Amino acid sequence: EVQLVESGGGLAQPGGSLRLSCAASGYSFSDFWMHWVRQTPGKGLEWVSRINRFGNTTFYADSVKGRFTVSRDNSKNTVYLHLSSLRVEDSAVYFCTTFTTPNDHWGQGTLVTVSS
Amino acid sequence: SYELTQPPSMSVSPGQTARITCSGDALPRKYAYWYQQKSGQAPVLVIYEDNKRPSEIPERFSGSSSGTMATLTISGAQVDDEGDYYCYSTDSSGDHWVFGGGTKLTVL
Repeated sequence: EVQLVESGGGLAQPGGSLRLSCAASGYSFSDFWMHWVRQTPGKGLEWVSRINRFGNTTFYADSVKGRFTVSRDNSKNTVYLHLSSLRVEDSAVYFCTTFTTPNDHWGQGTLVTVSS
Repeated sequence: SYELTQPPSMSVSPGQTARITCSGDALPRKYAYWYQQKSGQAPVLVIYEDNKRPSEIPERFSGSSSGTMATLTISGAQVDDEGDYYCYSTDSSGDHWVFGGGTKLTVL
């Protein structure tokens, strides 16, 4: 069974940093791109970032480019999202997802709250 | 930045057909994907590559795309189909993904 488990969320101050992790199991992690998606409670989904199989190609939404960094460690079956220069508007539930078809997989999400 | 546009809400009676649209300039060249999200749950992929359906998704869900508009059709909508529906696609470069704003479907 494929499982994705996010962790690392919590309360951060504006301008602060957090590192989110997503631990994968049940499939060949190193064979697939990984994506991060976020959702502000009660609002819509927003694609944040993605990283290729080898970790050497990354893309970011304009809203986070230059502030967030995605990385992965295939030996640990884990993808990371480093959040820095945090803003109040970065508060959201952050999901990792395989975005594979026809069956994709999502974690349960980890909540990030940015507040002073 | 690239945008996908959906109606914010729609309502149908049980058994009626719901058609949710998604417009974007790159859709003539890029696939559309559709997610269903129920309150408090992770999104579920219901249509991929414009018109393909994962095996566990009921046949009443179908997708199509023409020009700059993709459409998710739910034929004979059921109360259980209520939720938020999001289209998902890439910009013309294929590098950046984007969700539509979501459509809240009510079936009552």
